[in-house]
Order: sequence, then C-alpha cells, then structure tokens
Amino acid sequence: DAGVTQSPTHLIKTRGQQVTLRCSPKSGHDTVSWYQQALGQGPQFIFQYYEEEERQRGNFPDRFSGHQFPNYSSELNVNALLLGDSALYLCASSREGTGGRPWGYTFGSGTRLTVV
Amino acid sequence: QKEVEQDPGPLSVPEGAIVSLNCTYSNSAFQYFMWYRQYSRKGPELLMYTYSSGNKEDGRFTAQVDKSSKYISLFIRDSQPSDSATYLCAMSAGGATNKLIFGTGTLLAVQP
Repeated sequence: DAGVTQSPTHLIKTRGQQVTLRCSPKSGHDTVSWYQQALGQGPQFIFQYYEEEERQRGNFPDRFSGHQFPNYSSELNVNALLLGDSALYLCASSREGTGGRPWGYTFGSGTRLTVV
Repeated sequence: QKEVEQDPGPLSVPEGAIVSLNCTYSNSAFQYFMWYRQYSRKGPELLMYTYSSGNKEDGRFTAQVDKSSKYISLFIRDSQPSDSATYLCAMSAGGATNKLIFGTGTLLAVQP
C-alpha cells in the first residue's frame, strides 16, 4: 500500500523563480495538508485542502498557494522565491470524518527545496 | 513566545539507557498530544498519541501529559541505536482541520 508520494525529492531554484511541488495522498485519504520544515526546526503548517478548497491557512504569505485535484492529489506553488523559502516541504494526508483524530496524518518524505 | 517549546539537544546516550524527552506549551486549547520520530531525509512518523492528561505505554515507549503544568514527556526504555533520530512533539486543539503545532525537535543519538 503506497503511502504519501511527493515529487520531486530535491529541487534547486533561483531567487525570484516560481516552483510547484506535488503530492499524492495515501490510498483512502482525501485531505491534504502542507508543512514547511526549515533546517533544525519543526514543521510549520502552511495550509490544508479538502474537497478541492483551502480550508485553513497558517501564517504564510500569499506567495504560497495550492490546489487540490478531484483525485485528491495536491500541488503547492511558491512564487517569487526567497532564500528563506529553502526548506523541506512535507505533505501530510488524512481521511476526513475520522472523528477529530489529529493523529491520523501520514507524512510523505518531503521535497527538499534549495533557493540560491 | 512559541506555542510549543522543545529542547533541541542534541542528546547522546549509551545503548540501554532510559531517554526522557520533553515539551512545554502555552496554548490551553491543546487537547491532543503526539510524538513523531523523523529519520534523516524522511518525513515524520507517528510514535505515540494521547488525548488530554494521563499516561500511555506502548512497548519501550511511554508518553505522559500533564495539562495542569502544560508539560508532556516521552520516555524510551532500553534505548537502541535504531532509536537514533529526531523526535518531534506535536499538539492540536482539534477542530475541523486538526492542524498540528510542532516543537523544534530533539536530535537523539544512541551509541552502541
């Protein structure tokens, strides 16, 4: 059973460029959350998508945007990249209707983004 | 002040030692408490979860939550070199999205 799949695994971009990261959720999951993990830090919540809509957003600028497709996969887009955007971007999927169980997330291995 | 504080370590112990990892938090709305393990170049994987105050044991791992003190702990008994990883505490107030608030993580090395 495939877990959460993220692509690409590594990416190097130049300041000012735009990047798109992709996530396929675990089979049976319909909700996707994105987290940013800077080096030596814990993951920080970017936003969550359910039913193809952004349901909640963390403290991230509008340069960060996302999309969820009918097959539940998701994309994270970051525009006008800054050096500070260099981080591991994690996708976490879960199944809606789990009765309020925040431990139901499955994380992918992440995309390592380096901005130079 | 961060909502969740965690000693980043690093922590180095000999094989077989008892390891104690701790987090404090400031948000009284947190009801769900989790510990994740993250190996290098991997995503976090859930180790333990608890709801509200109390203790929970699973094999060599014990999680404790003291809501009155806003303090949670993870104990690892008979630590093994394979336990070497970063340990992240995470908390949630629940709600529609159940978003997780993580600590900074503690890097643990268990020496053979």
